[in-house]
Amino acid sequence: QSVLTQPPSASGTPGQRVTISCSGSSSNIGSNTVNWYQQLPGTAPKLLIYNNNQRPSGVPDRFSGSKSGTSASLAISGLQSEDDADYYCAAWDDSLNGYVFGTGTKVTVL
Amino acid sequence: QVQLVQSGAEVKKPGASVKVSCKASGYTFTSYGISWVRQAPGQGLEWMGWISAYNGNTNYAQKLQGRVTMTTDTSTSTAYMELRSLRSDDTAVYYCGRDYVSDYWGQGTLVTVSS
Repeated sequence: QSVLTQPPSASGTPGQRVTISCSGSSSNIGSNTVNWYQQLPGTAPKLLIYNNNQRPSGVPDRFSGSKSGTSASLAISGLQSEDDADYYCAAWDDSLNGYVFGTGTKVTVL
Repeated sequence: QVQLVQSGAEVKKPGASVKVSCKASGYTFTSYGISWVRQAPGQGLEWMGWISAYNGNTNYAQKLQGRVTMTTDTSTSTAYMELRSLRSDDTAVYYCGRDYVSDYWGQGTLVTVSS
């Protein structure tokens, strides 16, 4: 029952560009910044993008984030095998007065 | 380097309580809050709440209000999350993260609730 909706899956071949969408509302994405997390199988999540489009130190510039209105997107360019993982968007929700995660997207590198 | 190290796996019976710890190192503990996030088997991430390590202020997810308590011990730079009246659907891996954005995460603690 997450308030942020993502497609359940996305895929691409090595070198391709993959984009993941995150749809929210005026109380979350529409009024707050969006963060993205990558979770490799069996490991803890890792912060990938913060404040809509900022990369923490060490995150490759192949990963980029954007936001428009009540939606956000994560793009992975030059897809690599190690990008095979689950990806989650997240944002503060003013109505719930809490932090909400997206439903998650499984990216498969074919 | 920043590290968050969590306590080990737990097995609890329905109705019991569990307390998970998260020991921080590599930064000034009281300068950041600690978030708790859980993930049921095969499911997505669920934010449970946040505590300020500076003054102990808390913000809990509405769904868990009344069942969860988050505390900190600044003398040991450790945060704690206690969940009471456990049910089978509380079975999950519980993570701590530094502040709301969780730029650093603990390794996770598996809590299994089973009779």
